[in-house]
Amino acid sequence: GQSLEQPSEVTAVEGAIVQINCTYQTSGFYGLSWYQQHDGGAPTFLSYNALDGLEETGRFSSFLSRSDSYGYLLLQELQMKDSASYFCAVQNQGGKLIFGQGTELSVKP
Amino acid sequence: DAGVIQSPRHEVTEMGQEVTLRCKPISGHNSLFWYRQTMMRGLELLIYFNNNVPIDDSGMPEDRFSAKMPNASFSTLKIQPSEPRDSAVYFCAIRDREAFFGQGTRLTVV
Repeated sequence: GQSLEQPSEVTAVEGAIVQINCTYQTSGFYGLSWYQQHDGGAPTFLSYNALDGLEETGRFSSFLSRSDSYGYLLLQELQMKDSASYFCAVQNQGGKLIFGQGTELSVKP
Repeated sequence: DAGVIQSPRHEVTEMGQEVTLRCKPISGHNSLFWYRQTMMRGLELLIYFNNNVPIDDSGMPEDRFSAKMPNASFSTLKIQPSEPRDSAVYFCAIRDREAFFGQGTRLTVV
């Protein structure tokens, strides 16, 4: 089967840096991706890692270590609008995409 | 355009009634997912299709749930009969490297 673990909630202040970790178990791992979801909205894609290392997209970066079955999302220069839920998701070679339970990020002034 | 249109956006129905949720990938797509989201269970994968064929329906909770994808531009998720515990937001998504979600259908079964 597949399973993912991520913290349920994180709190940080504006301008800070926050890291959201994700560990996973899956067979036939293909890639790890991150999604953001605001209240009442749909999940939207942030970042994707298929290979080890860091991917940077503006203020957001994502890291993957396949040997450790571990990844993280790094959010820099936090803004109030970053308050949302963040999901890691694993894709296996069969095309299945499974999401973690989500991390609720609260950004305080 | 990789958009996905879901209908209806909101559905309130009485227990025992049949409910049909619809999904239309705007530009047609071969890989389509149905998810259900609740506070308790998070974002659960119900079923996914590839080339209009169901690949994995192990997440479909029970026989009351069924899904079809007759072509690359349309899919349905049907619940018959519906129960209050089916109340959730149902998302349809298409995927290449990344998944694009529709806005969801908020289903309330009373």
